[in-house]
Amino acid sequence: GAGVSQSPRYKVAKRGQDVALRCDPISGHVSLFWYQQALGQGPEFLTYFQNEAQLDKSGLPSDRFFAERPEGSVSTLKIQRTQQEDSAVYLCASSHTPGLATDTQYFGPGTRLTVL
Amino acid sequence: GESVGLHLPTLSVQEGDNSIINCAYSNSASDYFIWYKQESGKGPQFIIDIRSNMDKRQGQRVTVLLNKTVKHLSLQIAATQPGDSAVYFCAENIGSNFGNEKLTFGTGTRLTIIP
Repeated sequence: GAGVSQSPRYKVAKRGQDVALRCDPISGHVSLFWYQQALGQGPEFLTYFQNEAQLDKSGLPSDRFFAERPEGSVSTLKIQRTQQEDSAVYLCASSHTPGLATDTQYFGPGTRLTVL
Repeated sequence: GESVGLHLPTLSVQEGDNSIINCAYSNSASDYFIWYKQESGKGPQFIIDIRSNMDKRQGQRVTVLLNKTVKHLSLQIAATQPGDSAVYFCAENIGSNFGNEKLTFGTGTRLTIIP
């Protein structure tokens, strides 16, 4: 079956612009995660959804970052008034069984955001 | 070792040789560990995992070793192939009050297979 997909794959924004990044998880996956990966670093957790409920947003770096998953499937990560330090790859991952620590997270290809 | 910016730890291995990639994790309460492989322009790809009640687990050409005493993980890749060239990350499940499975990733090691 299809894996996790993300769009756009690349986004260039001028500082101060708003951007919206989309994630389509694997069909039927209940859990959805967003991670941020700076160049040369490992991914860092941003936020977690179980169905449409955002249960953990402790990793969001500022109130300019907002994520939603209104129908429990597709998710959007929005960044308002982008800054240069927001430049990174934004990864989405999904897993099937919430609350099961050993449930494999499957990652999408990421969206590379460059803020000029 | 630590990485700063673009300077990931690197490991170069001759094709056909075995490789060992090491990782130190941070939280003694973590109970689940995963190795991911990330190729350029792609998202992390699951390789193998291990629970904290185990000290070794084997897959196809890969073995993960866990030493909880010193909080150390290693990934052994046997008979390396050119397609094994990638950045390898260890990740740990720390969990949260919500019981979710958010992962904390290590620094990463760039493995290069020399033909």
